Amino acid sequence: EVQLVESGGGLVQPGGSLRLSCTASGFTFSSYWMTWVRQAPGKGLEWVANIKQDGSDKNHVDSVKGRFTISRDNAKNSLYLQMNSLRVEDTAVYYCSRDGTWNLDYWGQGTLVTVSS
Amino acid sequence: EIVLTQSPGTLSLSPGERATLSCRASQTVSSSSLAWYQQKPGQAPRLLIYGASSRATGIPDRFSGSGSGTDFTLTISRLEPEDFVVYYCQYYGQRFGQGTRVEIK
Repeated sequence: EVQLVESGGGLVQPGGSLRLSCTASGFTFSSYWMTWVRQAPGKGLEWVANIKQDGSDKNHVDSVKGRFTISRDNAKNSLYLQMNSLRVEDTAVYYCSRDGTWNLDYWGQGTLVTVSS
Repeated sequence: EIVLTQSPGTLSLSPGERATLSCRASQTVSSSSLAWYQQKPGQAPRLLIYGASSRATGIPDRFSGSGSGTDFTLTISRLEPEDFVVYYCQYYGQRFGQGTRVEIK
């Protein structure tokens, strides 16, 4: 059974940093692109970043470029999102998802990040 | 950048009725990269349709997708009580549509 479990969310002040983790199981993690998607309270879904199987190709949405970095450790079956210079508008539930063939076929349950003073 | 516009924003229907949700792209897109997701309150999204028209594993056959070019449609043939939630389209690797909420009339 495919499982994705996010962790690392919490309350942080504006300008602070957090590192989100996503631990994968039930599939060959190193064979798949992976993606982070976020959802602000009461809002829609926003694609944040994705990363190639070997980490050699990464893409980030413009609103987080230069502040967030996606990475992975295939030996640990883990995906990460390093978030620096956090803003109030980064407050959201962050979901980890597996890239199927041109779609996001499995999702974690999400971890809440709250940026507030 | 491709922008996806979903309509209507809210769809009010009764159980047993047919729901038709629209997703329009700002430019021609590949059908293979167009997907639909369902999100229930407090839950993560779930893949419903991929490649514009293929049902994901375990998705009931009352859900169907169609379309090409810039216009795509998600159809729910007979609404069940659990279908009254929010639906999003997405062009792979890019932003999602703003969502359509299906509510009980």
